[in-house]
Amino acid sequence: QKEVEQNSGPLSVPEGAIASLNCTYSDRGSQSFFWYRQYSGKSPELIMSIYSNGDKEDGRFTAQLNKASQYVSLLIRDSQPSDSATYLCAVMKGAQKLVFGQGTRLTINP
Amino acid sequence: GAVVSQHPSRVICKSGTSVKIECRSLDFQATTMFWYRQFPKKSLMLMATSNEGSKATYEQGVEKDKFLINHASLTLSTLTVTSAHPEDSSFYICSARGHPAFGEKLFFGSGTQLSVL
Repeated sequence: QKEVEQNSGPLSVPEGAIASLNCTYSDRGSQSFFWYRQYSGKSPELIMSIYSNGDKEDGRFTAQLNKASQYVSLLIRDSQPSDSATYLCAVMKGAQKLVFGQGTRLTINP
Repeated sequence: GAVVSQHPSRVICKSGTSVKIECRSLDFQATTMFWYRQFPKKSLMLMATSNEGSKATYEQGVEKDKFLINHASLTLSTLTVTSAHPEDSSFYICSARGHPAFGEKLFFGSGTQLSVL
């Protein structure tokens, strides 16, 4: 079982709709979770971090964490073509090691 | 926010040569930096953790004699790919943990695309 799993996609969403990205992790003791956006040929850019069960909202982005189900998700409201990218879920392992999922490729269709 | 500079952004080299990649934290001191490798359409895989003033900690399966890491100062870590071969062609990315005021965020360099002919 992979430490962090994501559906690789591609996920296609019409412009203006809600994009929903999902991630599961294997280590029940994990406490810190992150969503990164990566454009092709570029390095990852942090979008959201979440540490507690529930929802965390930042602008059009909402991260959701359910530690009991070992599940973390990212919702993007009012999707824009510029949101088209690969979204990486990452989980902190130990004190400082970040483990990434394989990423979900998201395409927003105008 | 914290800035991590990585250089060069792209390098093409012949098989058998060595390539050095630099990673600098520009406005903060980073006692720990991380080196990742990413193959096309794959995720980032941690190669090693670079610790200032001490030896790097390599992940399982990463050859420490092939991927030399030096972290001689609080703002600079280097990765040298020795005797590079085509299978080493990849996107290499460094990251550094910022000041506690920035939380647990990792700041990434812009990446280096290595192509070995």
